[in-house]
Amino acid sequence: GQSLEQPSEVTAVEGAIVQINCTYQTSGFYGLSWYQQHDGGAPTFLSYNALDGLEETGRFSSFLSRSDSYGYLLLQELQMKDSASYFCAVTLRMDSSYKLIFGSGTRLLVRP
Amino acid sequence: NAGVTQTPKFQVLKTGQSMTLQCAQDMNHNSMYWYRQDPGMGLRLIYYSASEGTTDKGEVPNGYNVSRLNKREFSLRLESAAPSQTSVYFCASTKDRQGYNEQFFGPGTRLTVL
Repeated sequence: GQSLEQPSEVTAVEGAIVQINCTYQTSGFYGLSWYQQHDGGAPTFLSYNALDGLEETGRFSSFLSRSDSYGYLLLQELQMKDSASYFCAVTLRMDSSYKLIFGSGTRLLVRP
Repeated sequence: NAGVTQTPKFQVLKTGQSMTLQCAQDMNHNSMYWYRQDPGMGLRLIYYSASEGTTDKGEVPNGYNVSRLNKREFSLRLESAAPSQTSVYFCASTKDRQGYNEQFFGPGTRLTVL
């Protein structure tokens, strides 16, 4: 079966740095994605790692270690608007298509 | 471009009723997906369609059927609704560029089954 583990909640202060970890056990692993979801909203794509290493997109960075089945999302210079749920998702290759398996999400609360 | 659209936004059903959730995308994407999200949980894949004319089961397909009407539209049908199907339903699509899979989500349908 497929499983992903991430912390359920994280609290941080505005302007700080926070790291959200994700470990996975899957077969057919193709890559690791991160999605952000504000309360009442739809998930939106943040980043994708297919290879080991760090990917940086503005204030957000994502890291993947395939050998450790581990990744993380790093959020820098936290802003109040970053309060949301963050989901890691494993991309699985299925014949000619791909599908995502999502973790349960990490709720990030940014305090002033 | 509207992206991914879903109708209706809200729906209340009685146990045993049927309904169809509609989804359309205008991004010329090949693959489309239906997820459900229960409170405080991640998204679970119900069904997906890699291309027009094909559909496959995801993690939680029981109680649902789907139709990929054309490249743009992918509908989800509940034949006999049950309270356990109370959830938020999201449709998503992706272009499926090789080695990359950014999914674009619709705004969701909030379904309550009494």
